[in-house]
Amino acid sequence: QKEVEQDPGPLSVPEGAIVSLNCTYSNSAFQYFMWYRQYSRKGPELLMYTYSSGNKEDGRFTAQVDKSSKYISLFIRDSQPSDSATYLCAMSKSGGSNYKLTFGKGTLLTVNP
Amino acid sequence: DTEVTQTPKHLVMGMTNKKSLKCEQHMGHRAMYWYKQKAKKPPELMFVYSYEKLSINESVPSRFSPECPNSSLLNLHLHALQPEDSALYLCASSQVGGNNYGYTFGSGTRLTVV
Repeated sequence: QKEVEQDPGPLSVPEGAIVSLNCTYSNSAFQYFMWYRQYSRKGPELLMYTYSSGNKEDGRFTAQVDKSSKYISLFIRDSQPSDSATYLCAMSKSGGSNYKLTFGKGTLLTVNP
Repeated sequence: DTEVTQTPKHLVMGMTNKKSLKCEQHMGHRAMYWYKQKAKKPPELMFVYSYEKLSINESVPSRFSPECPNSSLLNLHLHALQPEDSALYLCASSQVGGNNYGYTFGSGTRLTVV
């Protein structure tokens, strides 16, 4: 079983839809959870960062972490064509000397006007 | 604009060439990283520097040689690469210790080995 599982899609939605992106993980040592957006041929851009369980909202984006289920989600409200990109979940163990990010495979999202 | 700057943006090199990729950040981050990303795949960690010292080498072939001259700069020296090394090379930086607030990635160098 891979440490982080993410459905690669592709996912295609109409403009204005609510998008739900998800990852599951197997290692209970993960404490830090991130969502990155990556446009084609560009570097990943940090969208959301969450420590441990809970919700975090930033504009149209909401990140949820459920450590009991080992499940994280990213919701995009009122999706726009500019949201079309690959979304990567990533997670890491405690800070200090552990620097390794473990990525999901990424989900390719297309928002159609 | 990203706060991690990578140069060059594109590089084509022959298998006998020597070239270097450069990365610069001015966010005061003391951890810097090199990642390699193939098409439609997530980034793969290559090297980690913490306080300018190499702390992680993910069994990367010796034809890739990292260097961290100071807390703001990170280089990746390339020599005798293979066509399968063609990829997007990403630099990233982060804080060290305490809470991990996520990594900031550069836009990458797209490398083609011919």
